[in-house]
Amino acid sequence: QVHLQQWGAGLLKTSETLSLTCAVYGRSFSSYYWSWLRQPPGKGLEWIGEINHSGNTNYNPSLKSRVSISIDTSKNQFSLIMTSVTAADTAVYFCAQLTGGLWGQGDLVTVSS
Amino acid sequence: QAGLTQPPSVSEGLRRTATLSCTGISNIVGDQGALWLQQHPGRPPKLLSYRNNNRPSGISERFSASTSGNTASLTITGLQPEDEADYYCSAWDSSLTAWVFGGGTKLTVL
Repeated sequence: QVHLQQWGAGLLKTSETLSLTCAVYGRSFSSYYWSWLRQPPGKGLEWIGEINHSGNTNYNPSLKSRVSISIDTSKNQFSLIMTSVTAADTAVYFCAQLTGGLWGQGDLVTVSS
Repeated sequence: QAGLTQPPSVSEGLRRTATLSCTGISNIVGDQGALWLQQHPGRPPKLLSYRNNNRPSGISERFSASTSGNTASLTITGLQPEDEADYYCSAWDSSLTAWVFGGGTKLTVL
């Protein structure tokens, strides 16, 4: 059964670094782009960025300066790093393969001062 | 950043037909259409349609997507209580090399 499982720190302080990892089970990394998205409480979805099996990335221009997505094909995992977080980064973060309809369970990341 | 525009809310009666709109699409992907997602509270989104009505396995035929000019639409026929959810459109913006999203529409089934 194909599924995504994600994990990472859920409580951060202002200026700290957010780190999340997503493992892909039951599907090869190849031929797909793997995305990170987020959803602030009560608000809509925002795409953060994506990576493919070759390590090629695309990022949301509004977040690009603080975001890095990496991949570990040996573990079938990809990761998100977001630096210098603020309260505005408080959101549920999802990993996903958008066009294939695969989504992680979502993790709430709260940034407090 | 370029974006897509969705009405914040739509209400329609049980067993009726609802059409959700997403404007700004032709500026982004021409005639390739949008990606449509359904999200119930506290749940990850679910893919309903991608690229002009390609539905994943298991998605009801009651959900159909189309594009005309600058607007992508998701039509839901025979509305059921479980269709009450938030719906998002998205499309790949090749000029930004980024996925852009609409703000979402909350569908209420009366």
